[in-house]
Amino acid sequence: KNQVEQSPQSLIILEGKNCTLQCNYTVSPFSNLRWYKQDTGRGPVSLTIMTFSENTKSNGRYTATLDADTKQSSLHITASQLSDSASYICVVSAGRGTDKLIFGTGTRLQVFP
Amino acid sequence: GAVVSQHPSWVICKSGTSVKIECRSLDFQATTMFWYRQFPKQSLMLMATSNEGSKATYEQGVEKDKFLINHASLTLSTLTVTSAHPEDSSFYICSARTLGGSGDEQFFGPGTRLTVL
Repeated sequence: KNQVEQSPQSLIILEGKNCTLQCNYTVSPFSNLRWYKQDTGRGPVSLTIMTFSENTKSNGRYTATLDADTKQSSLHITASQLSDSASYICVVSAGRGTDKLIFGTGTRLQVFP
Repeated sequence: GAVVSQHPSWVICKSGTSVKIECRSLDFQATTMFWYRQFPKQSLMLMATSNEGSKATYEQGVEKDKFLINHASLTLSTLTVTSAHPEDSSFYICSARTLGGSGDEQFFGPGTRLTVL
């Protein structure tokens, strides 16, 4: 069964600190893995997209890593800001040329001053 | 970048009425649009895939007669919740795939909050 699991479910950090979110997946065949940021009451916004051959990808203060062998990904946020408070969703695309996206349940991040 | 809009952003209706939600790709043509539903503290669940000019493909467990989807043009898809009931209250999000894209790039709309009284 195709599945995407994220941890932790929720996380509280102080402004300026770094944090790392985890994603484990069992999706086959694998096409790509994306990280989205979803603010409360808004649609998801893409942060990074990585294919099988990519190990890391950065987007400003966001850095995603992918280990296709262990089927794990992480999203590292550096120097967190209050505006980083949101849900972060790991999404895996199942199969090349398909529109099927497998969504994780997300990590709810709260950044406090 | 590709922008997807939804209208309305929120709607409150009485039980038994029908509600229409619009999804538009503003700066690109979308051959395929997707409709998702998201309950509080849960992830997005795909409801249906909509291709321009053809019938939508519904996911298992989603009633096609209750959730009517029309994709009449390359920039507009509509979702009509017919005879809405309180259990239909949810956050509905659409996404659109760019024309000629890899097939894996979807851009999400901001969502529509439906509350059925």
